[in-house]
Amino acid sequence: DQQVKQNSPSLSVQEGRISILNCDYTNSMFDYFLWYKKYPAEGPTFLISISSIKDKNEDGRFTVFLNKSAKHLSLHIVPSQPGDSAVYFCGHGSSNTGKLIFGQGTTLQVKP
Amino acid sequence: NAGVTQTPKFRVLKTGQSMTLLCAQDMNHEYMYWYRQDPGMGLRLIHYSVGEGTTAKGEVPDGYNVSRLKKQNFLLGLESAAPSQTSVYFCASTALRDRHSGANVLTFGAGSRLTVL
Repeated sequence: DQQVKQNSPSLSVQEGRISILNCDYTNSMFDYFLWYKKYPAEGPTFLISISSIKDKNEDGRFTVFLNKSAKHLSLHIVPSQPGDSAVYFCGHGSSNTGKLIFGQGTTLQVKP
Repeated sequence: NAGVTQTPKFRVLKTGQSMTLLCAQDMNHEYMYWYRQDPGMGLRLIHYSVGEGTTAKGEVPDGYNVSRLKKQNFLLGLESAAPSQTSVYFCASTALRDRHSGANVLTFGAGSRLTVL
């Protein structure tokens, strides 16, 4: 049973508009959440994270929102750029155990 | 500074053969991980290690064994390969914590594509 679920396999957005990627989780025991980005034929790279005690974290064009009551995480990219086209993985982890679990990924396409 | 290096990058095996994937990092990281990426399944954790001489099971450990005899190396072994183990395997390591969340920030290798016929 997947602990982290990204129910939208793909998303297409026009350049300059907002991209919203969503993630649901089942286990509340992990103490942080994060997003990674992956280009074809490369390893994933870290994008942004949020502590489980926070509701929002912002870094430039990227903002992550955490809704603990709904067990839902979202990533907002504003404005979206063609270079943002990639696969995005959400995940959650434990600082104590080191365990880090990811979801299925969402492929974002930003059209010029 | 090479980061995380995975060997080999590509390999084709026959069912029942054995092989070992090698992950090497030169960043003195404590934690190391093996993931597999499959279409529609995302990144799934196979095994991980929080230090030299330690290993722990992830989400999909069956059919794999690991060893962390040296801090810089994390080996993933397939004793008897099966077609279901056809995948792209990623190794990652970390000793870094994001200052906002305390999250372990992983550095990934470029991946090893394994095909089992």
